[in-house]
Parts: sequence; structure tokens; C-alpha cells
Amino acid sequence: SQQGEEDPQALSIQEGENATMNCSYKTSINNLQWYRQNSGRGLVHLILIRSNEREKHSGRLRVTLDTSKKSSSLLITASRAADTASYFCATVSGGFKTIFGAGTRLFVKA
Amino acid sequence: DTEVTQTPKHLVMGMTNKKSLKCEQHMGHRAMYWYKQKAKKPPELMFVYSYEKLSINESVPSRFSPECPNSSLLNLHLHALQPEDSALYLCASSQAPGQSYAEAFFGQGTRLTVV
Repeated sequence: SQQGEEDPQALSIQEGENATMNCSYKTSINNLQWYRQNSGRGLVHLILIRSNEREKHSGRLRVTLDTSKKSSSLLITASRAADTASYFCATVSGGFKTIFGAGTRLFVKA
Repeated sequence: DTEVTQTPKHLVMGMTNKKSLKCEQHMGHRAMYWYKQKAKKPPELMFVYSYEKLSINESVPSRFSPECPNSSLLNLHLHALQPEDSALYLCASSQAPGQSYAEAFFGQGTRLTVV
């Protein structure tokens, strides 16, 4: 079953621009994570935000979490062509059950 | 070593074949997972093993049979699959279940085609 819904489904931007992806979820969570996937291969963990946190930064990534609205956003600043990938939010409940959102396909044009 | 290794990378099998997918990690993780991913869709959880015991089976058909022989290995045995089972199969691991603030490490997946 799918927990998170992501918006937009696809995003095309120029190199140097910022990219913002949003995720909404339905049930209570322990934490929310963002993953990246290149070309249908393995997923790489980007950042985790706990349910009691509101914002977190890691390099060019900024994640926010609004538990009252059951939503999160991922901002990638100063995007690069190498950031082209699919990005998924994932919610964790029940200790270790990770459910992925629909994903946003990001295309960064050089 | 922060890798999850999956073999084979690609697999083509007939509907009457029996094959196995393998997954290995040496990070001391005690939770291991199988996911199925169709093109342009998110990964869907299939099974979760916690301390080598099956904890979650997301109503997966019996033609998929998981096995966790030890804390480092996870297998997925395939038998009598259908063409619609063609997908990318991803293995993942994370620290001990119950530690919910743990990221999952993913293998590169096995691209399965059922003919």
C-alpha cells in the first residue's frame, strides 16, 4: 500500500535553479525519510527527519515536516545535472515498516 | 562496508522455472526487506525479516518464498511466476527493528523478466 503522495510527479528545471518536491501522508509516523533513485536502480538515503523536528538541512538539501498537515517538502538548492533522478519520500511506522510515496521525477537541464 | 549486494543483476526466467534472488549485507543489520518496483512506480514492500524471522508479509502470492538463512543473507525463491511479476526486486537492510530512526540501505536490485 502507498502511504505518501508526492507532488509534482515530474519536474524539469535548469541547472542552478532550486527544486522543491512535496509529500503528503495519511497516518501517524515515527519519522519521514527522503530517498533518491537513479535510472531504476537502488535507492540512496538522503535525509531523515523525526516526527518532533520541523526542519533539517544536509548540504544542498533542506527538508521540512508539518505533522499537523501530514506533509513534508524537500528543497534542493543550486541544482546540478547530476541531481537528475527520482526522489521518494518514505514514512516509517510500526518500528520498521517503510512505505514509499509515488515519487517525483526530477530532470535538471545543463 | 555499507553495501547491500544483490545477485544476479538481471534474470530472465520462464513461467515454469524455479530461481532464487540473493541479498547479502555485512553491516550487522538485523532487519532485512524485499521490495518490488514496477517501472515509474515506488517500491512496494513485500517482506520484512526481523532477527531472521519473518515479521511482515504484505499479502504476497505464495509463488514468492522468502528465506533468511542467517543474519547476513536474504533469499527470495521464485516459482511459477507470471509475466506481470516482471519488475525490479530490491533488497534493503536496516538496524535492529524497533529503532525507527534508522535509514534503510538498498542494494542495486535484480531486474527480473518473466517470459
